[in-house]
Amino acid sequence: NAGVTQTPKFQVLKTGQSMTLQCAQDMNHNSMYWYRQDPGMGLRLIYYSASEGTTDKGEVPNGYNVSRLNKREFSLRLESAAPSQTSVYFCAGGWGAGSPLHFGNGTRLTVT
Amino acid sequence: KQEVTQIPAALSVPEGENLVLNCSFTDSAIYNLQWFRQDPGKGLTSLLLIQSSQREQTSGRLNASLDKSSGRSTLYIAASQPGDSATYLCAAYSGGYQKVTFGTGTKLQVIP
Repeated sequence: NAGVTQTPKFQVLKTGQSMTLQCAQDMNHNSMYWYRQDPGMGLRLIYYSASEGTTDKGEVPNGYNVSRLNKREFSLRLESAAPSQTSVYFCAGGWGAGSPLHFGNGTRLTVT
Repeated sequence: KQEVTQIPAALSVPEGENLVLNCSFTDSAIYNLQWFRQDPGKGLTSLLLIQSSQREQTSGRLNASLDKSSGRSTLYIAASQPGDSATYLCAAYSGGYQKVTFGTGTKLQVIP
């Protein structure tokens, strides 16, 4: 069972470049999430999708966009990367509000 | 706004010792409390989920308790092993897709 799969695992960008982080799940999750993890700050929610076809902002959405392509896939796009977006990005899935989250292994992004 | 605190930030113990990790939260109106393990460079692996109606959950050498009235959860690890070395995070679910608040974790090192 693959669970929640994220690609790529590592990425280095220069300021101003764009990229898309991919996430796919095979756990039949209805809801999907993007978090970022920074030292000393815990995980913070960037965007979430409660169900296929819907997306909503989380705590730190500025500089990001998302697409819920279908029930399985939820992508995160950085249109113009900034050094402040250097972080570890995690995708997670769940079966609804308040249900336990299942995480992918993360994407480690460095913006120089 | 919910705040989740984990103290200490780091802990080092000799192999075989029983230990307790602490998680405090400010808003007692939670649905679930979940404990995760995070290995270096990896995602979050769920260890135990305690629903608000429960007082504790057990899995092998792990036991997690929840006291909503005092805003505390503890994770008890019996007979610690070097393989238990990891960062342990707790997350409080307050209802709704956005309302999952993570602590910053306790980094545990078990010395052989």
